[in-house]
Amino acid sequence: KNEVEQSPQNLTAQEGEFITINCSYSVGISALHWLQQHPGGGIVSLFMLSSGKKKHGRLIATINIQEKHSSLHITASHPRDSAVYICAVTQGNKLVFGAGTILRVKS
Amino acid sequence: EPEVTQTPSHQVTQMGQEVILRCVPISNHLYFYWYRQILGQKVEFLVSFYNNEISEKSEIFDDQFSVERPDGSNFTLKIRSTKLEDSAMYFCASSGGTLSYNEQFFGPGTRLTVL
Repeated sequence: KNEVEQSPQNLTAQEGEFITINCSYSVGISALHWLQQHPGGGIVSLFMLSSGKKKHGRLIATINIQEKHSSLHITASHPRDSAVYICAVTQGNKLVFGAGTILRVKS
Repeated sequence: EPEVTQTPSHQVTQMGQEVILRCVPISNHLYFYWYRQILGQKVEFLVSFYNNEISEKSEIFDDQFSVERPDGSNFTLKIRSTKLEDSAMYFCASSGGTLSYNEQFFGPGTRLTVL
């Protein structure tokens, strides 16, 4: 069983739609990270969470420690949001990654 | 804005050859990491490095792999005798502060192709 599970694996949305990507984890963690990976391969950190909720622009990340669950929301989605969104958790001195959610936003 | 840099961006090598992948972490960061991503698969942890020694390594990081911080700025990953299955994108990352779970900043990656 994977320690970090993401859903959905693939998501296609129309421009302007509200998007939610979910992440569940089965291990004890120090923090949870949401990352973005563009087609060129580079990885950008979006959020690091250990509790509650964070907002940056149109992106919102929440975490429920008791339920071991986190969500990434994108409001008013735009084609430039198209990317792979990856959930990762900090375990000890390393990140453990989910498989990623491939998001495509159509105009 | 400070960033993690990696060289080369693409390395092609023959099976059995040694390769060294280079990274320059953000200058005041204390923790350094190598990850890899085989095409179409998820990112996997290889090794973390703190205070001039390995703090954690994965099962992938066997005797063929080594890391070094040869000076105050570079952080290298060496693969002694490359195998076909080492073909992947290798990412270096660094994090600051005194906690191992601080936000990690990733380099652009080195695509390694083993023929």
